[in-house]
Amino acid sequence: EVQLVESGGGLVQPGRSLKLSCVASGFTFSNYGMNWIRQAPGKGLEWVAYISSGSSYIYYAETVKGRFTISRDNAKNTLYLQMTSLRSEDTALYYCARQGATVADYWGQGVMVTVSS
Amino acid sequence: DVLMTQTPVSLPVSLGGQVSISCRSSQSLVHSDGNTYLHWYLQKPGQSPQLLIYRVSNRFSGVPDRFSGSGSGTDFTLKISRVEPEDLGVYYCLQSTHFPPTFGGGTKLELK
Repeated sequence: EVQLVESGGGLVQPGRSLKLSCVASGFTFSNYGMNWIRQAPGKGLEWVAYISSGSSYIYYAETVKGRFTISRDNAKNTLYLQMTSLRSEDTALYYCARQGATVADYWGQGVMVTVSS
Repeated sequence: DVLMTQTPVSLPVSLGGQVSISCRSSQSLVHSDGNTYLHWYLQKPGQSPQLLIYRVSNRFSGVPDRFSGSGSGTDFTLKISRVEPEDLGVYYCLQSTHFPPTFGGGTKLELK
């Protein structure tokens, strides 16, 4: 069974940093690209970032480019999202998702990030 | 970015009934490789989204045949027949033909 478990969220002040993690199991993590997708409270879904299976290809949404860094450790089956210079508009539930049949065929349960003073 | 427009925003349904959700894109979703990367998701209350349909009409693993997808170019439809209680929630379309991937605004399926 594919499982994706995010962690690392919380309340952070504007301008500060936070690092999210996503531990994968139930599939060969090193064979799949991965994505971060977020959902602001009561809102729709926004794709945030993608990393290929071997980290050769990395893409970001314009709204986070230059502030967020996606990375992965295939030996640890773990995906990361380093978030810096956080803004109130980054407040959202952050999902990691496997890129398989589509951009996101399996999703984690999400981790909440709240940016507020 | 490709704008994805879903209608209706809210869709009341009776159990056992049939409904259709529309998703329209601001430009054609036919990729240069010939595929159309339009997908459908259901987000049940308090849960993460789950994939229902990928590439217009392919049901994902475990998705019942009550769900069907169709369409081409810029105009796509998700049909749900014999609606069951577990089908209630918000449906999203997603295009990944063009960068960046973009989602529709969602259609909330709720009981009449």
